[in-house]
Amino acid sequence: EPEVTQTPSHQVTQMGQEVILRCVPISNHLYFYWYRQILGQKVEFLVSFYNNEISEKSEIFDDQFSVERPDGSNFTLKIRSTKLEDSAMYFCASSLGRGDSTEAFFGQGTRLTVV
Amino acid sequence: QKEVEQNSGPLSVPEGAIASLNCTYSDRVSQSFFWYRQYSGKSPELIMSIYSNGDKEDGRFTAQLNKASQYVSLLIRDSQPSDSATYLCAVRAGSGGYQKVTFGTGTKLQVIP
Repeated sequence: EPEVTQTPSHQVTQMGQEVILRCVPISNHLYFYWYRQILGQKVEFLVSFYNNEISEKSEIFDDQFSVERPDGSNFTLKIRSTKLEDSAMYFCASSLGRGDSTEAFFGQGTRLTVV
Repeated sequence: QKEVEQNSGPLSVPEGAIASLNCTYSDRVSQSFFWYRQYSGKSPELIMSIYSNGDKEDGRFTAQLNKASQYVSLLIRDSQPSDSATYLCAVRAGSGGYQKVTFGTGTKLQVIP
């Protein structure tokens, strides 16, 4: 069964360093998303991406964050200068996005720990 | 602020019973509704989607939607210990696939053997 895959599963980084989280969405899906979940809190929307551009972003997604689809399969989230409060589980998701097929399927997540 | 509200629980039910999980949402233009299951430390797993008023059944799961009351629920029949997880209600405002999904805080379900 097709699935969203994310790498790495766990990333530890020092405060102020740049990190890139990687995702391979389901191959025929058109819409891509990043969400995050701080430990014990709810899943929060960061950004959606369609047709090689950001279609929507939340107030969390400030200038420190960027997304890119560098080739036909990968979708990345870059955090330029990490802060302690960026520590969270980051989930990539994708959806087909046509008609009623708007269900988003999530990858297994990357646990980011900023020290 | 568009909100999705759920009782955090825990909701405890005996094995074999029906678990009833509830969710309300504030944005009247919401079009798409989803239930995800999340085991501790894992990612959300989609279990049901519902788009129109009424009931939708899939195996042991039934989703119910009432747009007039801005209410969506999930029933789990014949609850099993493996159903013990946090159930996330999620809502999308429109029909476009690019639009964000807003999650509730989740209801923790415990199925007692």
